[in-house]
Amino acid sequence: GAGVSQSPSNKVTEKGKDVELRCDPISGHTALYWYRQSLGQGLEFLIYFQGNSAPDKSGLPSDRFSAERTGGSVSTLTIQRTQQEDSAVYLCASSLGGRGRTDTQYFGPGTRLTVL
Amino acid sequence: SQKIEQNSEALNIQEGKTATLTCNYTNYSPAYLQWYRQDPGRGPVFLLLIRENEKEKRKERLKVTFDTTLKQSLFHITASQPADSATYLCALASYSSASKIIFGSGTRLSIRP
Repeated sequence: GAGVSQSPSNKVTEKGKDVELRCDPISGHTALYWYRQSLGQGLEFLIYFQGNSAPDKSGLPSDRFSAERTGGSVSTLTIQRTQQEDSAVYLCASSLGGRGRTDTQYFGPGTRLTVL
Repeated sequence: SQKIEQNSEALNIQEGKTATLTCNYTNYSPAYLQWYRQDPGRGPVFLLLIRENEKEKRKERLKVTFDTTLKQSLFHITASQPADSATYLCALASYSSASKIIFGSGTRLSIRP
């Protein structure tokens, strides 16, 4: 079946503009994650959605970052008033989710964001 | 604070040899540990999972060990091939908090012919 898809694959924006990044998870996956990966760095956790539970937003770096997940499926990560330090690859992953089970994540190809 | 360290940023291995990558962690009691492969311009791809009560896991040419006393996992690729060249990430997770999956920064492995 189809894997996790993300759009756009590349986004170049000017400092101060808002951007929206989209993630389509694997059908049936209840858990969805957003990560940020800077050049040569590991994955930085941003936010986690699990079913209808309140999302874990503990990784969002500032209040300029927000995310929502509509209908338990598609998710949008929004960055307001972008700054140059926001430049990175933003990765989305989904998994079957649920407590008490191992949770293998399936990643999308990422969106490369460049803030000029 | 919780921390994961992978042994080096880059590892250069001759084709046919065994590549060994190290993942050390502190201030964490994981229920399981995962290894992922990441190619340039792509998202990570899951390879292997090992639980806290397992010492070793194998899959084809891959072998993972997990020592919760040493707080260390070793990832081995035997009979390495140039196609194995990629960045390998380890990740720790607990059953109780899926959002607390913590990734290491990865080791870039290069297999030279």
